[in-house]
Amino acid sequence: AQSVTQLGSHVSVSEGALVLLRCNYSSSVPPYLFWYVQYPNQGLQLLLKYTTGATLVKGINGFEAEFKKSETSFHLTKPSAHMSDAAEYFCAVSVAFSGNQGGKLIFGQGTELSVKP
Amino acid sequence: SQTIHQWPATLVQPVGSPLSLECTVEGTSNPNLYWYRQAAGRGLQLLFYSVGIGQISSEVPQNLSASRPQDRQFILSSKKLLLSDSGFYLCAWRDGRVSAGQPQHFGDGTRLSIL
Repeated sequence: AQSVTQLGSHVSVSEGALVLLRCNYSSSVPPYLFWYVQYPNQGLQLLLKYTTGATLVKGINGFEAEFKKSETSFHLTKPSAHMSDAAEYFCAVSVAFSGNQGGKLIFGQGTELSVKP
Repeated sequence: SQTIHQWPATLVQPVGSPLSLECTVEGTSNPNLYWYRQAAGRGLQLLFYSVGIGQISSEVPQNLSASRPQDRQFILSSKKLLLSDSGFYLCAWRDGRVSAGQPQHFGDGTRLSIL
C-alpha cells in the first residue's frame, strides 16, 4: 500500500536561507507525487507534481522537488526563503481506483514552515 | 476553466444539530469528488470520495454522511453533530477521466465549530 512520511512537523529557517522539506514515500507501483501548500484558513494549492520523465520538477513560487527512486524520496526545496513562504506543506502520493476511474491522494502529516526575519 | 465553490466559509453549530455543507464544481464533467477534514494541528483525513452520481465511498466510520445528487455537486451531512466533528472541512475535485497522475484541486474550506 502507498504511504507518505514527512520528516519534521515544524521547520524554521531565516529569510534568504535554503528551504528543505523532506518527504519519503512507499509505493508498490511507479508513484505519482505531489506537493501542496496551505496558508492559514485556506484550501490546498498545488505547488508541483511528478508523474514521469524529468526527475527534477519545478513548481510555482520558486519551489522545486527531485524524485529519487533509489531513496524513495521527493524532497521540496527553495534556494532562498521569503516571509511569504510561511505555511503548511503537504506531500502526497496518488493511488489509482480500479476500473480506471481516477484515484485518490495519500497525504503526509504536513510540515509547518516558519520563516524568521 | 474549472472552479470549485464551497460554502459556507464558517459555521458555528450547537451539539446535536444537523449539518449540511455543499460543494460544487464548474467547468468539468464527471469529476472525482472528495471531502476531507483537518482537525486542529493535524493532517488531512479523507472522509468520502465519489466517482459518479450516487456513488459514495466512505474512508472512515463516523457521524457524517455524503451524497452526490448531481454530477458536480457533493454534500456533506450529519443528523446530529458531535463536539468531535469540529474542524476544517475541505472539498476537492480531480478529472475522473484520466489516470491517477492528475492532481486534486481544493476549495477554500469551511471552518466548523461545535458548541
